[in-house]
Amino acid sequence: EAGVVQSPRYKIIEKKQPVAFWCNPISGHNTLYWYLQNLGQGPELLIRYENEEAVDDSQLPKDRFSAERLKGVDSTLKIQPAELGDSAVYLCASSFTPGHIQYFGAGTRLSVL
Amino acid sequence: TQLLEQSPQFLSIQEGENLTVYCNSSSVFSSLQWYRQEPGEGPVLLVTVVTGGEVKKLKRLTFQFGDARKDSSLHITAAQPGDTGLYLCAGTSNTGKLIFGQGTTLQVKP
Repeated sequence: EAGVVQSPRYKIIEKKQPVAFWCNPISGHNTLYWYLQNLGQGPELLIRYENEEAVDDSQLPKDRFSAERLKGVDSTLKIQPAELGDSAVYLCASSFTPGHIQYFGAGTRLSVL
Repeated sequence: TQLLEQSPQFLSIQEGENLTVYCNSSSVFSSLQWYRQEPGEGPVLLVTVVTGGEVKKLKRLTFQFGDARKDSSLHITAAQPGDTGLYLCAGTSNTGKLIFGQGTTLQVKP
């Protein structure tokens, strides 16, 4: 069974440019998470989806970040415009339900120059 | 706000040595998990502890959950270079959110 798939794996952009990350969760997992991870630190939750509904987006900087999960399966996280401080790894995870084990993708490493 | 403090942040040891990583909080968690993350990969779950005082063993790794469910420890016996990585503890908050500690970067030198 395929795990959580994220693309791209790496992205280098100039500041003020837009960028988008894509995540395909494990089949059958209703809950999807986007995390931000700075180098050598633990992941921090940005947003959690239950099917297509964002149920926890309190940590998402809504002035420049947006996310969608239109059909309740795959999801896109967007930053527009990107800032230097956005350089980090963006991790996607999924679980069967909120209380179940979260499985993580390999992440997208973003470098903003 | 529920926080998890991990210590030490960095650990560099020789192959064969033992080590312990600590994860502490002033808050109670319904469960606590330990993850291991290698460079360029996402965290991978090692174990979940649920009951206060619980001890779980995974080969050379021993995990313990504090009696009050506020802290946990990970002990590695006879560390090997393959144990190198970022070790993360994460607690399930009272709202169901997974809260991560800042991680412990372990380097085991041959």
